[in-house]
Amino acid sequence: SSELTQDPAVSVALGQTVRITCQGDNLRDYYASWYQQKPGQAPVLVIYAKNNRPSGIPDRFSGSTSGNPAFLTITGAQAEDEADYYCNSRDISGNPLFGGGTKLTVL
Amino acid sequence: QLQLQESGPGLVKPLETLSLTCTVSGGSISTTSYYWGWIRQPPGKGLEWIGHVYYSGSTYYNPSLKSRATISIDTSRNQFSLKLRSVTAAETAAYFCARLSPIKGDVFDIWGQGTMVTVSS
Repeated sequence: SSELTQDPAVSVALGQTVRITCQGDNLRDYYASWYQQKPGQAPVLVIYAKNNRPSGIPDRFSGSTSGNPAFLTITGAQAEDEADYYCNSRDISGNPLFGGGTKLTVL
Repeated sequence: QLQLQESGPGLVKPLETLSLTCTVSGGSISTTSYYWGWIRQPPGKGLEWIGHVYYSGSTYYNPSLKSRATISIDTSRNQFSLKLRSVTAAETAAYFCARLSPIKGDVFDIWGQGTMVTVSS
């Protein structure tokens, strides 16, 4: 089926490492990308095409290089990383598809 | 720096047509390198792709919308638009326009700030 499944919520202690998971059959064929969304704001692309970061995204953000599940890893989480994170890939028809989102709490 | 800005009514009646426009500034919409898309997000929920358009006018839609959506592009105004017919209260959401980058793996790399649309009588 064409779905991307994420854990609804994850927490991490300040300065520690957290991994956010995205599961979907189509991840065997298509890369996952990741977006960060803070309350009241538009999503921001943080990882695309395996493990590429747009300009301005800190290098503590990294993505898995292939496969199912896909992972977003934040190494040394900061307070400002508290946000919702969405994975994005393609469905069986090649159309854009989003995961349900993971709420990250930094303790 | 490329910027996108949504505009349109914040309130639409049930069964009427939702109409939004995205104005692109800081760059041309008439580029072969990108597509231009719409995504929505109901309050407290996740993101849903609505569709996207190429500068030539080619369009791609989420099948779940059952042909109610139309996306068009106006290169002379550097704008693209969304019309969604016969809306229901369940389609109350923040609507975002965004640039779709095939070279980055079909990701939405630049987003507008979003506009909230409420469907209510």
